[in-house]
Amino acid sequence: AQRVTQPEKLLSVFKGAPVELKCNYSYSGSPELFWYVQYSRQRLQLLLRHISRESIKGFTADLNKGETSFHLKKPFAQEEDSAMYYCALKDGNNRLAFGKGNQVVVIP
Amino acid sequence: KAGVTQTPRYLIKTRGQQVTLSCSPISGHRSVSWYQQTPGQGLQFLFEYFSETQRNKGNFPGRFSGRQFSNSRSEMNVSTLELGDSALYLCASSLQQGAGELFFGEGSRLTVL
Repeated sequence: AQRVTQPEKLLSVFKGAPVELKCNYSYSGSPELFWYVQYSRQRLQLLLRHISRESIKGFTADLNKGETSFHLKKPFAQEEDSAMYYCALKDGNNRLAFGKGNQVVVIP
Repeated sequence: KAGVTQTPRYLIKTRGQQVTLSCSPISGHRSVSWYQQTPGQGLQFLFEYFSETQRNKGNFPGRFSGRQFSNSRSEMNVSTLELGDSALYLCASSLQQGAGELFFGEGSRLTVL
């Protein structure tokens, strides 16, 4: 069975400081990983996926198969980055399994 | 384009009752997935429907069921409600089955007393 672990429930960072959200996964097959974000009073939405290798809103995430990680990073946090972030893994049965999420608070 | 719509948004039931939640996907989306969200367990996959057929199922008891109609709208039903069923039930739609990009609704908040 697959599992997604996000070890830190709450992360507080100052505006302009780097932010890194950790995501580790366990999966025997070839993983497909995603980061979802939920801003205050908004719906859960896709932020980025590892396949596209893109930067969205300044965020990037690199899949490290050796360390089974998919950490989300941004070099300079902005106040609008305050949100709940979820790492998700799609398994071989096409089910999307989510981690328990990280609450990010950016302090002005 | 209208987003995913879930009804009702809030409801209160008592133990032993049953509940039906409704989800209207984004126009053109044929896949609908359901998730249960609780503070302790986070987001847990319930099931996915595509073309009126259940394609995937999570690890929930048989009291949790669903269906999808020809217009892609979906309903989920929970029978014999238990206190532990109190949760936010999220519906998400996507263009195809098993897509990684899901479009979520605002959820139906169920409280079981």
